[in-house]
Parts: sequence; C-alpha cells; structure tokens
Amino acid sequence: NAGVTQTPKFQVLKTGQSMTLQCAQDMNHNSMYWYRQDPGMGLRLIYYSASEGTTDKGEVPNGYNVSRLNKREFSLRLESAAPSQTSVYFCASSEYSSAVGYGYTFGSGTRLTVV
Amino acid sequence: GIQVEQSPPDLILQEGANSTLRCNFSDSVNNLQWFHQNPWGQLINLFYIPSGTKQNGRLSATTVATERYSLLYISSSQTTDSGVYFCAAPAGGSNYKLTFGKGTLLTVNP
Repeated sequence: NAGVTQTPKFQVLKTGQSMTLQCAQDMNHNSMYWYRQDPGMGLRLIYYSASEGTTDKGEVPNGYNVSRLNKREFSLRLESAAPSQTSVYFCASSEYSSAVGYGYTFGSGTRLTVV
Repeated sequence: GIQVEQSPPDLILQEGANSTLRCNFSDSVNNLQWFHQNPWGQLINLFYIPSGTKQNGRLSATTVATERYSLLYISSSQTTDSGVYFCAAPAGGSNYKLTFGKGTLLTVNP
C-alpha cells in the first residue's frame, strides 16, 4: 500500500544510548517531516526537509539530527537519548497541488521510551 | 510565533448528533489544515482550508481568514468519528512549519 512507513514501531532505550528512526515514503512527495507528540498535546515539529538535499530545524530540534538520504527516505537520529525524549514520533510527507493544496500523509508512529 | 487554540477540549456525543469544532489562530495565514487522529493513533489529513468552505461527506470545514478562525462541522456523527481533531497553521509564514493546536477529543457513543 502507498504511504509512509516508519520503523521501529516500539523502542525502549537506556539513557545515553543512541538510535535511528527510519522513515520511507513511496508517493514521490518532495517534503518530509519528523514530529513528536506528547500526552495531551498536539504535534511539534522536530526537523523537516522541504526537498531532497535540504533539511531545516523545526520547533524542538535539540537532541536530534536528521538525514534526507534520498527523495524517499528521511531518518531521525538520537545521539544520546534522554528521558525527556520519551514520546511518540511521527514521520510525514507532503506535496502541494493546485487541486487539493497541501496534503499530508503520516506514518503510524514510533513509541519511544527512554529509561 | 503563531498561537493556535482549539475549543472545546473535549466533546461527548450520541451517535447521530451534529457538532462544531472551533480553531482560532493569532496571525494571518495562507494555510490551515484539519487532521483527525483515531483512537489507535493514526493521523489523517482531513482538509486544507486556508479560506472558504469545503465539504467531504459528513464533514465540512469553513475558514474565515479575516477573523482568524476555522470551524469543522461533523454531521450525523458515527462512532468511527471518535478521536482527536487537530487544526494546524504555519509558523512564521513557512508552510513547512505547522503549529498544531492541542486538539479536541471527540467521543461518539452508540
């Protein structure tokens, strides 16, 4: 099925460990995003990539790095995990068209716990 | 940056009822989105509605950009409408940087 695929779905890390969240989309979208969602809150943008070869900081970039590997793939890395990074992480992609405007497609999320 | 406020925070309906969700935003926008997150966490983009009115089945959305608010209407609600509804608007004029509201939690009971 077309869409955004995130891996892993669940992860438990110890404080100080590192990990990479993977995201791939097969809709040929130019733009990709990483969001985090904490209880009772909306999504907050961590990093985005407007197009292949570019990345920019969002609202909460500290403690994270990203790589836009190619048009399909956008990864998020936690170099030294902290308990404050316990959250649900969503990858998304988007494309603008004159017919429907900005259309976003989200992955199913990664539930990360840092102990 | 832009402030996005949603009301009400929670709403409980009986199946078949209608509802209106509101989103207020603090700055002029050229991009306003509505999203639905189902109880299993999946996010769906419902509407791109910077101004005017759009309809998709039982859902419709209206944005009055000059007065800085948007409304999401749900008619003849069904249990599958349950979940959290978010609106989002661009921060700092960048359409890539959406600021989300805290959402409205809708529960539709059978």
